[in-house]
Amino acid sequence: SQQGEEDPQALSIQEGENATMNCSYKTSINNLQWYRQNSGRGLVHLILIRSNEREKHSGRLRVTLDTSKKSSSLLITASRAADTASYFCATVPFGNEKLTFGTGTRLTIIP
Amino acid sequence: GAVVSQHPSWVICKSGTSVKIECRSLDFQATTMFWYRQFPKQSLMLMATSNEGSKATYEQGVEKDKFLINHASLTLSTLTVTSAHPEDSSFYICSAPNYRTGSRGNTEAFFGQGTRLTVV
Repeated sequence: SQQGEEDPQALSIQEGENATMNCSYKTSINNLQWYRQNSGRGLVHLILIRSNEREKHSGRLRVTLDTSKKSSSLLITASRAADTASYFCATVPFGNEKLTFGTGTRLTIIP
Repeated sequence: GAVVSQHPSWVICKSGTSVKIECRSLDFQATTMFWYRQFPKQSLMLMATSNEGSKATYEQGVEKDKFLINHASLTLSTLTVTSAHPEDSSFYICSAPNYRTGSRGNTEAFFGQGTRLTVV
């Protein structure tokens, strides 16, 4: 079963703009992870944020986590054409290591 | 980063035949691997957890006899789709956590490239 929803389902922006994707989940988590998937390929890990963390940065990526609202956001700054992909959040519950994926956001960067 | 290799990347088979998909961790040992199924433009659905040296754990609704999983070594897990039918056509992806990068449950997963299965 899927843990949560991602919003928006699809997003198209101009190159250079910032892209924000949101993820909501339903149950308590140990950590939340974001992955990128290029069309027809496997997933690439972007960032992991633990339940006791509120914000994390990695290069042009900024992830926030609000456990009280059971939500997370992924911000990609200064987008590039190569950022075009699907982005998924995935949650990991305590005492487990299974990833439960959200519905995903299809991001298109227009050159 | 760690590398997980999945083979084949695509396969076309006739209805009724069986197809084996391999998932290898190339530069780390993977005592646990996960198998997912993904329909077009949808999310990944966990099918089963592959455990080295023991039986796989299947998610609810996944047929054990249909999707045979063997984790024969610390670097290889295989998924065999038995007596494949057109409804089994899908994108299958494996992943493995690398515990050298974090503790169990707090580590990133490394994914194979995926296998596109088409049953005709």
